[in-house]
Amino acid sequence: NAGVTQTPKFRVLKTGQSMTLLCAQDMNHEYMYWYRQDPGMGLRLIHYSVGEGTTAKGEVPDGYNVSRLKKQNFLLGLESAAPSQTSVYFCASSGRGAEQYFGPGTRLTVT
Amino acid sequence: AQSVTQLGSHVSVSEGALVLLRCNYSSSVPPYLFWYVQYPNQGLQLLLKYTSAATLVKGINGFEAEFKKSETSFHLTKPSAHMSDAAEYFCAVSEERGSTLGRLYFGRGTQLTVWP
Repeated sequence: NAGVTQTPKFRVLKTGQSMTLLCAQDMNHEYMYWYRQDPGMGLRLIHYSVGEGTTAKGEVPDGYNVSRLKKQNFLLGLESAAPSQTSVYFCASSGRGAEQYFGPGTRLTVT
Repeated sequence: AQSVTQLGSHVSVSEGALVLLRCNYSSSVPPYLFWYVQYPNQGLQLLLKYTSAATLVKGINGFEAEFKKSETSFHLTKPSAHMSDAAEYFCAVSEERGSTLGRLYFGRGTQLTVWP
């Protein structure tokens, strides 16, 4: 099992550009999450999904959109990137056991 | 919503010394509790998980954590630090039992440095 994978690993964007981050899990988990990690801030939840076709806002959703068209995939979109969105983005998934399994992260720089 | 407080953003210990990382949570109902470890440039890895009445939880790499309901604490310990333990550690608490949302609330993390 690959677990949770994220694509791409690194990306540099100019202000105003758009991009999509892809998260895939092969554990048949119902729940999936997108976090951002900034120094001294811990992990902050952007959006999450409790099942295919459903999404919900976390604590820092502004400037991001998500979609979960397939159970195994969770996409995070930035429509118009801003320097404040420079961060490391982590995807995670969980099943009935409540513990979350994390991907390796995507390091995004917006200039 | 839950909240998690990790006391001390940085902890330094000598190799072989006791490691103690503190975590307090806010909840009136004992939730699920977790400790995660993050090595440089990697994702978070589950160290241990509390989900039952057993107050002492053993995890990987010799770590353990004690759940104290009266103190709403879930401190992480290791009797003897190793250089390879240097990493950032996150405490997390789930939604209250019975919730189906599956969210975790994370502390801000504690960076552990181990000196030779």
